[in-house]
Amino acid sequence: NAGVTQTPKFRILKIGQSMTLQCTQDMNHNYMYWYRQDPGMGLKLIYYSVGAGITDKGEVPNGYNVSRSTTEDFPLRLELAAPSQTSVYFCASSLDRQGPYEQYFGPGTRLTVT
Amino acid sequence: AQSVTQLDSHVSVSEGTPVLLRCNYSSSYSPSLFWYVQHPNKGLQLLLKYTSAATLVKGINGFEAEFKKSETSFHLTKPSAHMSDAAEYFCVVRPGFQKLVFGTGTRLLVSP
Repeated sequence: NAGVTQTPKFRILKIGQSMTLQCTQDMNHNYMYWYRQDPGMGLKLIYYSVGAGITDKGEVPNGYNVSRSTTEDFPLRLELAAPSQTSVYFCASSLDRQGPYEQYFGPGTRLTVT
Repeated sequence: AQSVTQLDSHVSVSEGTPVLLRCNYSSSYSPSLFWYVQHPNKGLQLLLKYTSAATLVKGINGFEAEFKKSETSFHLTKPSAHMSDAAEYFCVVRPGFQKLVFGTGTRLLVSP
């Protein structure tokens, strides 16, 4: 099993450009998540999905969009990149959303917007 | 509101000495608690989790944590630090049916 994979690993964007961060999991998990991690901070939830076709906002959704057309894939889109979106982005998945079910994380995408 | 406080942003130890990383939480519900480790430029890896089955939880790589409800704490310990333990450690709480709440992390530095 590859677990959770993310592409690209690194990206530099100019202000106003758009891009899609890819996330795929092969564990047949229904729940998937996108987080951002800023220096010295914990992870903040951007969006999450409870299954194909169902997504919902997390704590910091502004400036991002998601879609979930399959169980495996959960791409995150930045439409108009801003310097405030410079961060490390992590995708995660879990078997369930409640209780002791841990989340499995991808290796992250380091994004710089200049 | 649910929250997690990691009491130290940095902890420095010598190789072979004990490790203590402190975590306090607040939760209105019976929580699930986790410790994750993040090595440089890597994703987060689960160290251990508390599921209400036992208050002393053993994890990977010799780490363990004790859930103390009266103190609302979930401190992470290891008897003897190894150089490979140098990383960032996150205490995470899931209060009942709600989403994960992450602490701000503790950077563990291990010197020879």
